[in-house]
Amino acid sequence: AQSVAQPEDQVNVAEGNPLTVKCTYSVSGNPYLFWYVQYPNRGLQFLLKYITGDNLVKGSYGFEAEFNKSQTSFHLKKPSALVSDSALYFCAVRDYVIKAAGNKLTFGGGTRVLVKP
Amino acid sequence: DTEVTQTPKHLVMGMTNKKSLKCEQHMGHRAMYWYKQKAKKPPELMFVYSYEKLSINESVPSRFSPECPNSSLLNLHLHALQPEDSALYLCASSQEWGQGWNEQFFGPGTRLTVL
Repeated sequence: AQSVAQPEDQVNVAEGNPLTVKCTYSVSGNPYLFWYVQYPNRGLQFLLKYITGDNLVKGSYGFEAEFNKSQTSFHLKKPSALVSDSALYFCAVRDYVIKAAGNKLTFGGGTRVLVKP
Repeated sequence: DTEVTQTPKHLVMGMTNKKSLKCEQHMGHRAMYWYKQKAKKPPELMFVYSYEKLSINESVPSRFSPECPNSSLLNLHLHALQPEDSALYLCASSQEWGQGWNEQFFGPGTRLTVL
């Protein structure tokens, strides 16, 4: 079975400071990993994904994430946070060993990010 | 066009009403999804359509009835709902169901309140 953990319910950071949102995963084989962001009363927006190759993935709005296979982690990072980055962030995994699962994602519980001016 | 649209944005219905949610995408995606999301929780998958055929039903109660009239449209018919069904209903699409590396594109959702 595949699972995702986001150990922090909320992350507070001052504007201009680095932002990190943590994600760890568990899969049987190799993972496809995704980050989505959700602004209040909106749907989820895709930020970035890791499929294979370079462990550092760059995405939308200045976000990046580093895939670490030994630590089974895929932490989301932004060098300088903006107030507008305040939102709910979801990490998701899809285990491609389980082919019958198709494109079914397993989401983490979400991390609320609050960036203060 | 990289947008998934959903109508209506808000819906209030009684437990005896029949209503429908609508979702549309024009990205040529062949997989479409319905999710239910409670406040501050991750989305929960309800249904998956692949090439207009129902591929996944996550043991959803029969008071929710999905329909995929064509490759661009997805409906969710609602009947005899319960107050606990109140939630944000999200539609999503992706290029193919069987290609797990494809990201899903989400619509803005319909906020449903069942009285």
